[in-house]
Amino acid sequence: AQSVTQLGSHVSVSEGALVLLRCNYSSSVPPYLFWYVQYPNQGLQLLLKYTTGATLVKGINGFEAEFKKSETSFHLTKPSAHMSDAAEYFCAVSILTGGGNKLTFGTGTQLKVEL
Amino acid sequence: NAGVTQTPKFRILKIGQSMTLQCTQDMNHNYMYWYRQDPGMGLKLIYYSVGAGITDKGEVPNGYNVSRSTTEDFPLRLELAAPSQTSVYFCASSYPGGWDPYEQYFGPGTRLTVT
Repeated sequence: AQSVTQLGSHVSVSEGALVLLRCNYSSSVPPYLFWYVQYPNQGLQLLLKYTTGATLVKGINGFEAEFKKSETSFHLTKPSAHMSDAAEYFCAVSILTGGGNKLTFGTGTQLKVEL
Repeated sequence: NAGVTQTPKFRILKIGQSMTLQCTQDMNHNYMYWYRQDPGMGLKLIYYSVGAGITDKGEVPNGYNVSRSTTEDFPLRLELAAPSQTSVYFCASSYPGGWDPYEQYFGPGTRLTVT
């Protein structure tokens, strides 16, 4: 079975500062990893994903994440935070089986961006 | 394409009442999923389906039922609503045969309160 741990349920940064949201995973098979963003009262939007290939993945809105197998991590970063980045972020892991590609989510990190 | 649509957006139920949350996708996706989201808990899988006529339990199926008579529709049924079912419900779909079989597409959610 797979699992995801997101360190820090709340992260606060200043506008223009580096954003770092942490995600560690556990999986018995090669994982496929995702970051989703949820703005208030909205559904989930895919930010980026790692399936195979390059371990540094670029997503929308200037976010990127690096898959590090040795550290079982998939941390999300953005060089310069913007007020519009304030939202909740979810890391998720998936494996594709005959029963579907079920996602296992972390508990989420609420990002606050301050002036 | 409308993607994944969910109705209603909001609903208040009394304890013991029943209701059906509707989910429809127009992307011809085989796989469909129901998740519930509780504060600080991330998203938990309730039920999923790999095609019309085939459904299976996820992590938290108790108190819910599903059916899948068509590719497009995947309704979630609450028979005897309980306060513990107060949550935000998300429907999602994916296509295992495509070039990106791992990505799930989410609907906007249904916010349910049971009092």
